[in-house]
Amino acid sequence: GQQVMQIPQYQHVQEGEDFTTYCNSSTTLSNIQWYKQRPGGHPVFLIQLVKSGEVKKQKRLTFQFGEAKKNSSLHITATQTTDVGTYFCAALANAGGTSYGKLTFGQGTILTVHP
Amino acid sequence: EPEVTQTPSHQVTQMGQEVILRCVPISNHLYFYWYRQILGQKVEFLVSFYNNEISEKSEIFDDQFSVERPDGSNFTLKIRSTKLEDSAMYFCARRQGYWTEAFFGQGTRLTVV
Repeated sequence: GQQVMQIPQYQHVQEGEDFTTYCNSSTTLSNIQWYKQRPGGHPVFLIQLVKSGEVKKQKRLTFQFGEAKKNSSLHITATQTTDVGTYFCAALANAGGTSYGKLTFGQGTILTVHP
Repeated sequence: EPEVTQTPSHQVTQMGQEVILRCVPISNHLYFYWYRQILGQKVEFLVSFYNNEISEKSEIFDDQFSVERPDGSNFTLKIRSTKLEDSAMYFCARRQGYWTEAFFGQGTRLTVV
């Protein structure tokens, strides 16, 4: 089945430093979504990327989808303590066939921000 | 963010007992899912439910698991005979359309002792 690899598993940064997490797939993805899970919380949708080479920004967060649609990244500029949590990429299965929109999650990157 | 309410928030059960986890999603959403997350690990797909029937299930979703939407609103996950390894956070999720985002409930923490 579809697999999505995410690195690093952990990232500890000082407040104000940048942070990046990477997501890779061996197969071409139809799209990719990013979620944030605060400690003890549930995944919350951040963004969806669909087009090859797409770049989207949300304030200090920049999301990229690779040209080959096999990788994606999330970059946070000047981290704040409120950025603490686990960031997951999730691949949406291709439409049609037997899939009904299941998400295949990466392992997640746990971000710790030291004040 | 539209609400997805899950009950209970925490369930402790003895091994071999049956548990029912409940979810109340927005009624006009078409796609419903159950995911689970073992402590410290990634979120894993269990089952999808579309048009009031199971549309896809993972290898984890064996004969011990079942889902229902008995009254057209509540969406339940039943584990017939719980095992220690069923201990996890179980999330209900729903989406309005295929290409839209998934909204997750707050989860039910299941502890099997």
